[in-house]
Amino acid sequence: DIQMTQSPSSVSASVGDRVTITCRASQGISTWLAWYQQNPGKAPKLLIYAASTLQNGVPSRFSGSGSGTDFTLTISSLQPEDFATYYCQQANSFPRTFGQGTKVEVK
Amino acid sequence: QVQLQESGPGLVKPSETLSLTCTVSGGSISSYYWSWIRQPPGKGLEWIGYISNSGSTNYNPSLRSRVTISIDTSKSQFSLKLSSVTAADTAVYYCARQGPSGRTLDYWGQGALVTVSS
Repeated sequence: DIQMTQSPSSVSASVGDRVTITCRASQGISTWLAWYQQNPGKAPKLLIYAASTLQNGVPSRFSGSGSGTDFTLTISSLQPEDFATYYCQQANSFPRTFGQGTKVEVK
Repeated sequence: QVQLQESGPGLVKPSETLSLTCTVSGGSISSYYWSWIRQPPGKGLEWIGYISNSGSTNYNPSLRSRVTISIDTSKSQFSLKLSSVTAADTAVYYCARQGPSGRTLDYWGQGALVTVSS
């Protein structure tokens, strides 16, 4: 299985801050990476796929980059609705695997 | 707008079989692949497996011996069975649609909490 490791596990930030989350795969996955946002008690929501393509309806303050083993999710200007937990997921091979999550908290 | 809704017992006894159904509305079940994912309380996400519109399946090796996913296109439903459950199988179970590329999960159900306890 491909192991996905996110860092940090949590980040404290304020509205308007730029936030960056990283995700590392245990082996190369090209650009087969997705990012999801999960609010408490809710299902995950697809934000980004193919490492950098924004899902329809997702605000442009979200962006993704990377290829191979190292990936980044950036929120350019944090909004109140962005305080949530974010997961990366590799889509290169089965079984699909997720990172452990990064919680974006209020500073 | 595609919608998915999980249904099934919220409490299952140890050693018994967990059974959940996902009903798809607002779109054709026959055009996509469909997945199950679970999340233990306070923990991360684990992919369980998928089923194609023609019934082919792919399961997580960690659960393969206990998992069966099936589909009933006439009812726009697909189902999960997990046998010989233990407390470690307590989780919120989500059904989801695999996106057009087959590499994303683009629509999710709201999730169903299943507790394994006697």
